[in-house]
Amino acid sequence: SAVISQKPSRDICQRGTSLTIQCQVDSQVTMMFWYRQQPGQSLTLIATANQGSEATYESGFVIDKFPISRPNLTFSTLTVSNMSPEDSSIYLCSVSWTGPYEQYFGPGTRLTVT
Amino acid sequence: KQEVTQIPAALSVPEGENLVLNCSFTDSAIYNLQWFRQDPGKGLTSLLLIQSSQREQTSGRLNASLDKSSGRSTLYIAASQPGDSATYLCAVSRDTGFQKLVFGTGTRLLVSP
Repeated sequence: SAVISQKPSRDICQRGTSLTIQCQVDSQVTMMFWYRQQPGQSLTLIATANQGSEATYESGFVIDKFPISRPNLTFSTLTVSNMSPEDSSIYLCSVSWTGPYEQYFGPGTRLTVT
Repeated sequence: KQEVTQIPAALSVPEGENLVLNCSFTDSAIYNLQWFRQDPGKGLTSLLLIQSSQREQTSGRLNASLDKSSGRSTLYIAASQPGDSATYLCAVSRDTGFQKLVFGTGTRLLVSP
């Protein structure tokens, strides 16, 4: 396993602004992912953060809305752009290594958009 | 499209009971299955991972089984404690693009003293 931290832990933002969430791991990892958990819902995968290249987005998520960076093997950012109240969610990063690809999650960032 | 369902959605038991949480998935072509717990407002803690070739995994008072062909997994919690109160999530990964997890709907467990 690894120690995974996220910043900020929570934030309250105004409609139309953007927020960048950071995910830091204490060791090099193979894979990094970003998930969203809307209120009362389960987790949905937003994208896979690829080191040194564009992220791979799931259906329903686009780069203009959720730009992602991964400059190295221990760090990634997710930006939520032009926010609306519907973006109010918990955003979580997760990591895994090669086989058996067990995933470990960060503590999450609770975002409220007013 | 893979769909993962968990039954029951909520469960309330007195301390000391043994209990079973159920997870079912529609596509049996999975690579592995993970069980997590989530405490209110917190991230996820990995409890157990079962690879598709395995039938069960055990960790302390937890035992998870997998019947891949029927699309089912169960999480057995022995001698439940108030500290077990949390939401339990199961998630499966596909056998291609197998890093991506599809999560179930969750079971909210309350263990009362």
